[in-house]
Amino acid sequence: GEDVEQSLFLSVREGDSSVINCTYTDSSSTYLYWYKQEPGAGLQLLTYIFSNMDMKQDQRLTVLLNKKDKHLSLRIADTQTGDSAIYFCAERTPNAGKSTFGDGTTLTVKP
Amino acid sequence: DTAVSQTPKYLVTQMGNDKSIKCEQNLGHDTMYWYKQDSKKFLKIMFSYNNKELIINETVPNRFSPKSPDKAHLNLHINSLELGDSAVYFCASSPDSETQYFGPGTRLLVL
Repeated sequence: GEDVEQSLFLSVREGDSSVINCTYTDSSSTYLYWYKQEPGAGLQLLTYIFSNMDMKQDQRLTVLLNKKDKHLSLRIADTQTGDSAIYFCAERTPNAGKSTFGDGTTLTVKP
Repeated sequence: DTAVSQTPKYLVTQMGNDKSIKCEQNLGHDTMYWYKQDSKKFLKIMFSYNNKELIINETVPNRFSPKSPDKAHLNLHINSLELGDSAVYFCASSPDSETQYFGPGTRLLVL
């Protein structure tokens, strides 16, 4: 079945860039997502990318997709303490009717 | 004007009890989901409903019974609660195969 993997922890200093990586197994994945979960809160959709795109930029967020390697990354420029959260990668295939989530990367931003 | 709402937000109960969690979306979406997030923050899909019909049941114990009285509601009833059911349960809805909108979560603690 589908599998999505992420490293569990990332720690950066305020002002640095953060890069969160994700790999997936399903080559028919059409949509790839990044969600943010702040402590005690629900999941917030940050951004998503279609599989026919290589890159998507949205203010401080840059998503890179390497479809050949099935690798997705989320870069956060000028990381702030408010960016501390868990970031979930997810993939969706058209006929699956569901999204498969990675286990989440806990990003800690130190002042 | 909350898009996806869940009640209750917190639920503390004894082992063996039966409880229900409710979800409502006012977005007019056709598809609704229940996800379980365990203590390690791993997020797994449980059920998916499209227009009140069950389309995904991810090998969830039959103590869990979803009910969709109409397109805007997907409730989750749990019989004979067990300690391992303690988790955060997220409801979500989607209009299409692209995006999902999550509720704030219901934190269930079984004692």
